[in-house]
Formats: sequence, C-alpha cells, structure tokens
Amino acid sequence: AQSVTQLDSQVPVFEEAPVELRCNYSSSVSVYLFWYVQYPNQGLQLLLKYLSGSTLVESINGFEAEFNKSQTSFHLRKPSVHISDTAEYFCAVRRTSYDKVIFGPGTSLSVIP
Amino acid sequence: DVKVTQSSRYLVKRTGEKVFLECVQDMDHENMFWYRQDPGLGLRLIYFSYDVKMKEKGDIPEGYSVSREKKERFSLILESASTNQTSMYLCASSFSSVVGLGEQYFGPGTRLTVT
Repeated sequence: AQSVTQLDSQVPVFEEAPVELRCNYSSSVSVYLFWYVQYPNQGLQLLLKYLSGSTLVESINGFEAEFNKSQTSFHLRKPSVHISDTAEYFCAVRRTSYDKVIFGPGTSLSVIP
Repeated sequence: DVKVTQSSRYLVKRTGEKVFLECVQDMDHENMFWYRQDPGLGLRLIYFSYDVKMKEKGDIPEGYSVSREKKERFSLILESASTNQTSMYLCASSFSSVVGLGEQYFGPGTRLTVT
C-alpha cells in the first residue's frame, strides 16, 4: 500500500534561518508529488508539485522541493524563512494512473522572531 | 480563482443528530472529495465522487454517507453523529484531466464538535 511519511511533526526555526521539511513515500510505480500548505484557520492550498521533467521544483514564495527517486523522497526547503511561513505543511502523493491522493500526517512549521 | 465553499465554519451538534455538511465549487470540477483532518493523522479520505450521482468510499467511510445531485455540490451526511466524529472536515475538488492532475482545491473547513 502507498504511504507518506513526514518524519518531523513539529519544526521550530528562527526567522531568516534555513529549513528543510522531510517527506518520504512508498510506491513501486511512478508517482506525482505535492506539497500543500495550511495557514491557521484556513483550508489547504497547493504550494508546489512534481509531475515530470526537472526533479527540482519551486514555488512563488521561495520554497523548493527535489524529487529523489532512488531515496523515494520529496523534501521541502527554504533558504530563509519568514514569520508568514508559519503553517502546517502536508506532503502528498498520487499514483500516475489513480485519482486518489495520499496525504502525510503534516509538519507544523513555527517561525520564531 | 477557484472557489470551494463550505456551509459552516463551526458546528456543534448533539450525539445522535443527523448532520449535513455542504460543499460547493464554482470551477466545473468533475471530482469532489471529503476528508477529515485530525492532529497527527493528517487528512483521511472519507468519500469521493467522480461525477454526478457517483460516489466511492475512501479510507474511513463508516458512519458517513454522501450525496452529489449536482456537479457543483457534494454533501457529507453523518447519519447519527457520535463524539468520535468530532473533527475538522475539509472538502476539495479537482479536474479529472491530465492538465490538473492531482491538484486539489480545498474549502476553508468545517470544525464539527459533537457533544
């Protein structure tokens, strides 16, 4: 069965410091990979996605994630975080030929002033 | 912008009551989904629908049912609410085409408390 692991449930980090949120998945077939962000009291919104092509994908607000097929990972990184990045981050995976999306348990990022 | 709206942000119901959660999307999406979100468990899929009058069970359908009479509206029904159904409920929708493959658009959520 497919699964998504986010090793860190909570990540505190000081403002302007770099951050990495880890995501690993299990699948024997090709997948599509996503990071969603949930700001306080809001629904989820798509941050970035990997469908095919370049293994490094970027978002408009400075986050990037790299698809590593051999390690079955899709870690999210940002070189310098802002207070406004405080949110819950969910990694998600979808098999190429199936509509169901599997979400990880989420990582709560807290940016400390 | 895609908009997914949910009928209530907060809801308090008593054990045994029948509860309706409504979701409406305005982007003509084929797919619609209901999740519940609990701390440490992430999002778990309750039911989804690929088309009008069509429904498929997700991972945790027990105690829930759904209705999709119109393309834009997907309702989640708790037939007899129980305290273990206290949770955040999220509705989402997506295209069924390759272009938007997998990208789901979420509503703001309904925080349901069953007492």
